[in-house]
Amino acid sequence: EPEVTQTPSHQVTQMGQEVILRCVPISNHLYFYWYRQILGQKVEFLVSFYNNEISEKSEIFDDQFSVERPDGSNFTLKIRSTKLEDSAMYFCASRDAVQGPLEAFFGQGTRLTVV
Amino acid sequence: AQTVTQSQPEMSVQEAETVTLSCTYDTSESDYYLFWYKQPPSRQMILVIRQEAYKQQNATENRFSVNFQKAAKSFSLKISDSQLGDAAMYFCAYRSPGGSEKLVFGKGMKLTVNP
Repeated sequence: EPEVTQTPSHQVTQMGQEVILRCVPISNHLYFYWYRQILGQKVEFLVSFYNNEISEKSEIFDDQFSVERPDGSNFTLKIRSTKLEDSAMYFCASRDAVQGPLEAFFGQGTRLTVV
Repeated sequence: AQTVTQSQPEMSVQEAETVTLSCTYDTSESDYYLFWYKQPPSRQMILVIRQEAYKQQNATENRFSVNFQKAAKSFSLKISDSQLGDAAMYFCAYRSPGGSEKLVFGKGMKLTVNP
């Protein structure tokens, strides 16, 4: 069964460093998302990406964040200068906007720890 | 903006018993989608069940069923014959049609299944 894969599963970084979280969405999907879940809190929308551009972003998604689809398979989230409060679980999701099931499929998440 | 409320932070159920998880939402839209996602200790987000608002019939997936009350803006999840593997965080989520179709999540509810 196709699945969304995320790497790494856990990343520890020093405050102020740049991190890139990687995702491989399901191959025929057209919509891509990043969500964030701070420990013990709800899952929050960060950004959606469609047709090689951002279609919507939340207030959380400020200038330190960027997304890219550098090739036909990867979808990345970059955090330029990490802060302690960026520590969270980051989920990538994808969805087939044309046909197929309505729901978004999530990856297993990347746990980001900023120290 | 749409909001999703899960008022019960925790619940417990005996194995083989039935439990109902509540969810309410606020929206001015008439057409939308509702989902229940399960997040086990591995923290991956797994779709449990979905409901299209235009459908009057409540969705059912094996031991999982929903009670969708559109007028009351209520979307509860019933788990029958609870199993130890059902222990997890459960998130209710709302999605508007069109646009980026991002998910708006509730705060989640921790379900414990007692043997």
